[in-house]
Amino acid sequence: DTGVSQDPRHKITKRGQNVTFRCDPISEHNRLYWYRQTLGQGPEFLTYFQNEAQLEKSRLLSDRFSAERPKGSFSTLEIQRTEQGDSAMYLCASSPQGRSYEQYFGPGTRLTVT
Amino acid sequence: QKEVEQDPGPLSVPEGAIVSLNCTYSNSAFQYFMWYRQYSRKGPELLMYTYSSGNKEDGRFTAQVDKSSKYISLFIRDSQPSDSATYLCAMKGGGATNKLIFGTGTLLAVQP
Repeated sequence: DTGVSQDPRHKITKRGQNVTFRCDPISEHNRLYWYRQTLGQGPEFLTYFQNEAQLEKSRLLSDRFSAERPKGSFSTLEIQRTEQGDSAMYLCASSPQGRSYEQYFGPGTRLTVT
Repeated sequence: QKEVEQDPGPLSVPEGAIVSLNCTYSNSAFQYFMWYRQYSRKGPELLMYTYSSGNKEDGRFTAQVDKSSKYISLFIRDSQPSDSATYLCAMKGGGATNKLIFGTGTLLAVQP
């Protein structure tokens, strides 16, 4: 399977704990995106990487959230001191060079904060 | 007011019906218009993308964009039970921004 992969698929954590998610984009795609989706809503943009550079961040990405893409391949999204409001599906997408309208999504990581 | 408005449904149709799904938007800077299909607890799947106004057809799916009315549509012909899913419209402006702005999604149920 050459699509976008995400790990883990599900994460249950207690409030106040830190969590980290991983995303592996489609191999030839140099652009990578993180979105968050809550029940009954469409995905909301969090951040965007072109290669290893983080070029765009949403106001939704509070200082408890950090994302990295150190070698321009896989990316990690870390949430520190989780809150119940962080419970959501975290989606990763990738797109080819110059075609940011053509974003392909992974299966998502479902986070539940208890 | 949200930048992208989409009727959440649910929309229930009999198998074989023509389905019409719609979104309206307020930001005239949007230039790219996408439709995604999302099955329950899965990631969104890109169905089609369109640049500016006009029509685009792909098999049983047709996307229409009317920029003058800020209105986009997705038509599904000969609908099948396997088409039952949430359909999300998404839009992107030109220029430096790379983020997609999504509607809330319309839940479609095709009854056999």
